[in-house]
Amino acid sequence: GENVEQHPSTLSVQEGDSAVIKCTYSDSASNYFPWYKQELGKGPQLIIDIRSNVGEKKDQRIAVTLNKTAKHFSLHITETQPEDSAVYFCAATYGTGTALIFGKGTTLSVSS
Amino acid sequence: NAGVTQTPKFRILKIGQSMTLQCTQDMNHNYMYWYRQDPGMGLKLIYYSVGAGITDKGEVPNGYNVSRSTTEDFPLRLELAAPSQTSVYFCASTGSGNTEAFFGQGTRLTVV
Repeated sequence: GENVEQHPSTLSVQEGDSAVIKCTYSDSASNYFPWYKQELGKGPQLIIDIRSNVGEKKDQRIAVTLNKTAKHFSLHITETQPEDSAVYFCAATYGTGTALIFGKGTTLSVSS
Repeated sequence: NAGVTQTPKFRILKIGQSMTLQCTQDMNHNYMYWYRQDPGMGLKLIYYSVGAGITDKGEVPNGYNVSRSTTEDFPLRLELAAPSQTSVYFCASTGSGNTEAFFGQGTRLTVV
């Protein structure tokens, strides 16, 4: 079945550094790839997403890249701040449907 | 705008008991989802619905049932609670395919 692998599981950076989280997916029909941020005790919140017809998307300090041939997509956070500390999840659609399969998450810690 | 509302926030069940986790959204979204989140395992899709009267199994449907009699509500039923169902449950909704999923605050369920 559909699978999404996410690495690393934990990531510690200094404030101002960049952070990169990588995901791979198995279903070549997947066409939507969102990233969610989850803070302690809360539900996940969308931070950025990318569709299969786009290779890269940027929103201020956050960018996502997609390589459909290799079935890889990555989240890049530049100039990290302590408030970026959270758990980040990548996800991909079940084929061309709307239901999402999530990676296992990356705990990002930004120290000042 | 309340978004996605889940009740209860916390619940302790004894093995073999049953309960219903409530989920309602006020955004007139067609698509609704139930996920469970276990430590280090990301979010696993239990059931989803693409509209009133239509439901479908996700990755881990065993031990659960759902119904979708209205657009707003998508309750999740546990018939015979087992310790393996101890988890945090999240309900989510989307307005259409491949758009932002809005999550509720979660229900923390413990089965003892």
